[in-house]
Amino acid sequence: GENVEQHPSTLSVQEGDSAVIKCTYSDSASNYFPWYKQELGKRPQLIIDIRSNVGEKKDQRIAVTLNKTAKHFSLHITETQPEDSAVYFCAATARSGGSQGNLIFGKGTKLSVKP
Amino acid sequence: GAGVSQSPSNKVTEKGKDVELRCDPISGHTALYWYRQRLGQGLEFLIYFQGNSAPDKSGLPSDRFSAERTGESVSTLTIQRTQQEDSAVYLCASSPNPGLAGRAYNEQFFGPGTRLTVL
Repeated sequence: GENVEQHPSTLSVQEGDSAVIKCTYSDSASNYFPWYKQELGKRPQLIIDIRSNVGEKKDQRIAVTLNKTAKHFSLHITETQPEDSAVYFCAATARSGGSQGNLIFGKGTKLSVKP
Repeated sequence: GAGVSQSPSNKVTEKGKDVELRCDPISGHTALYWYRQRLGQGLEFLIYFQGNSAPDKSGLPSDRFSAERTGESVSTLTIQRTQQEDSAVYLCASSPNPGLAGRAYNEQFFGPGTRLTVL
């Protein structure tokens, strides 16, 4: 089945700097890669996603890149702000058996943005 | 419209007791998921329901865990003979029918979770 590795587990940056979180996946058939943000004590919320037919997607200060050959994808946050502080999870689709549509999540990255 | 709701928000139980956790998905969402999140940890997949298909139970950690779903609505996660290691936040999520809108996968919308504490 699918396996998703995420790193780093923690990341601390100064306000205004960029942050990059990287994930790798194992199933070459996976074709959907969302990123979720979870603020302390709150539910995870989708912030951006990418499908396998594109290599990059941007939404204001956040972007995601996908390298299908290497089976890795990354989240880039530019001009970080204190409100970006949260745990970020990457995910990839599980394709084995009857699991089409299911997601396998990475273990998360705790991002701290220092003012 | 209303989002995914879960009840109870908090549950404290004694070791060995059974618990039931409830999830009400967004109306019209055919897919429903259960995850476990231990303190400071990631999202651990438990079970996935998609329409009338047989559920994917591959993430259930033991036979003490089971889940049911009534049609395409409410789901109940049951943990029998709870153990202290079952203490966690149990998150439910739902998503629209992946066959609609010509897309294979859709955003999962999460509920607020149920915090389970086993003493």
